[in-house]
Amino acid sequence: TQLLEQSPQFLSIQEGENLTVYCNSSSVFSSLQWYRQEPGEGPVLLVTVVTGGEVKKLKRLTFQFGDARKDSSLHITAAQPGDTGLYLCAGAPQDGEKLTFGTGTRLTIIP
Amino acid sequence: KAGVTQTPRYLIKTRGQQVTLSCSPISGHRSVSWYQQTPGQGLQFLFEYFSETQRNKGNFPGRFSGRQFSNSRSEMNVSTLELGDSALYLCASSPTSNYGYTFGSGTRLTVV
Repeated sequence: TQLLEQSPQFLSIQEGENLTVYCNSSSVFSSLQWYRQEPGEGPVLLVTVVTGGEVKKLKRLTFQFGDARKDSSLHITAAQPGDTGLYLCAGAPQDGEKLTFGTGTRLTIIP
Repeated sequence: KAGVTQTPRYLIKTRGQQVTLSCSPISGHRSVSWYQQTPGQGLQFLFEYFSETQRNKGNFPGRFSGRQFSNSRSEMNVSTLELGDSALYLCASSPTSNYGYTFGSGTRLTVV
C-alpha cells in the first residue's frame, strides 16, 4: 500500500505570508495530483504533475514534482483568506491503479 | 457542463439497515471512483469502476459494494450498517484513471 504523508498537518498563517506544503512517499508515482477541499464539499482538482522535476504554476500557487517522482510540494505566495482549506495530494503507482490520497494539510489564512 | 451529482446529500440510517448512494458522473467520463472520508482516516478508497467493470477495490469489508451502469452512472450499497460507517461518501469521475478527478459534493451518511 502506497502511503502519502503530508506536512505540516495544520498550518495557520497571516494573510500575505508565503508557505510550502509537502507530500512525501517512499513509493514512486506515475503522476501526482493536488486538490483543495472546503467544508461540506468534495475536493477540487488544482493540478496534475506527471514528469519528474516538473514545475507548474497556477497564479500564486507553484507545484513541483520530485525528480524521483516520490514527492511533491505546493508553494503559495502572498496567501489570501480564500486559500483557506484542506489541501490533499494524491497519486497512483501506475495509470489505471487506484488513486491514494495523502493525509492532508489544513490551511488557515488569517486576515 | 454539469458536474458530478450525488444523491442524496444527507442521509440518516439506523444500525443494521442498508443504504444505496447514487452518483451521476460528468457526461463522457467512464471512470467512477468512490471514497469514504472521515476525520480520523481521511479519504479512503472504496472502489473504482470503468466501463461497468470494477477495476480497483480498496480494503473495505464485503458489506460495501457497488456497480456501474451502461450510462456510467454508479451506485454504492452498504448493508448491515454500523456506527463506524458514518462518513462523507464521495464519488469522483474522470475520462480515464489518473487524468484528474472531478468530485461530487458527497453524501453525508449518519448511522444512529
